[in-house]
Formats: sequence, structure tokens, C-alpha cells
Amino acid sequence: DVKVTQSSRYLVKRTGEKVFLECVQDMDHENMFWYRQDPGLGLRLIYFSYDVKMKEKGDIPEGYSVSREKKERFSLILESASTNQTSMYLCASNRRGQITDTQYFGPGTRLTVL
Amino acid sequence: AQKVTQAQTEISVVEKEDVTLDCVYETRDTTYYLFWYKQPPSGELVFLIRRNSFDEQNEISGRYSWNFQKSTSSFNFTITASQVVDSAVYFCALSEAGTDKLIFGTGTRLQVFP
Repeated sequence: DVKVTQSSRYLVKRTGEKVFLECVQDMDHENMFWYRQDPGLGLRLIYFSYDVKMKEKGDIPEGYSVSREKKERFSLILESASTNQTSMYLCASNRRGQITDTQYFGPGTRLTVL
Repeated sequence: AQKVTQAQTEISVVEKEDVTLDCVYETRDTTYYLFWYKQPPSGELVFLIRRNSFDEQNEISGRYSWNFQKSTSSFNFTITASQVVDSAVYFCALSEAGTDKLIFGTGTRLQVFP
């Protein structure tokens, strides 16, 4: 079974803190994704990585950065957390190819920034 | 531009009722993929189905069925004889061939009451 894990289910941080959200997948997938989910807005893509050290901006990259040093791990970084970054963060992965593969999701991290 | 519209924000039904979740998409490509995911209260998105644009056959899987109509750009999802365990947020998503990214709709929250 595909497994995508995220480092925390719940996280509370203060404004201005640097926040790291970690995601690990065990299926040797090339692609990894970070989304944020907000009520009424669905899932919005923050960043996408298609290989180690490769990244591509999604629809809402402002205020975020990412790191992919190993194939199985994709980190989302909030350099200076702000209250408007309070949200549910979802990580996903899939195989790269011409036919869009199913994305497999982690359980999510609910981040609250005070 | 690609877009997915799920006009129903929330639906409430009583157990054993049939319910249809609507999904309308926009794309200029002739080759694309459509997906449905379920997000139960636990938070993790669960893959339900993927269809490609060349396969308009309806699909049935147990109590679940999907109606894909290119003429109306719709990919609707029907649950027959709904159960309390069907309570979740359901997302429809679109991907064009050659990309690995998904465009999600805003989701429909289904509540099934006993």
C-alpha cells in the first residue's frame, strides 16, 4: 500500500516563527505536492516537485518555500508564519508520466498560527 | 484555462436515500483525466475513480456510480442507498494529459443522517 506520512497532525505556532512541515512517501514516486485546504476554496496547490532538488510554483506560493533533498521527502517551509497561513496542509505524491497518475495523500497537518 | 465547479456546497440526506454530487469542468484539451476523491472526517483524501476523456462509459462500483458526459462537460457521482459512513467531503478534480497536477473543485460536503 502506498503510504504518505506527515510529521504532525496538529501544530500551533506563533506569528513570525519559522515552521517546517515534513512529508515522506514510501512508493518511490517522482512527484510530490503541497496543498492547502480552506473552507469554500477546496485544495490549492502551493508547490510541486517532480524530482530531487526540482520544484515548481503552484497557484499560491507566496509566503512559502520548499525543499526536496531526498526523493522520499518533501518539506514545506513557512519562513515567517502569519495568521493567514492558519490552514490544513496536505501532502501528496504520484508517479510521473504521460497518463496522470492518481495522487496519494497524507493525513494532513492542521496548522494554527497565533 | 482549466476549472472544476462543484456548485453544491453541502447536501444532507437521510440514510438509504440516493444522492448525486455534481461536477462540471472546463478544459481546452481533448485529452484529460477526471478524478473523484473522498475526504472523511479523519482528513485523508481517498481516491475513488479516474476516467480519461476518451472513455465515456458510465462506471458502477457497488453503491457508487459515475456519469461522464462530454456534451455537458460533467462528471457526476451518485451514491445509491446512502449510509452514514458516506458522510464526507467529496472532491472532483481535473488533469490535462502531460501534466501530473490536479485542479480541484471546492468540494461538496455530504451529511447522511440515520
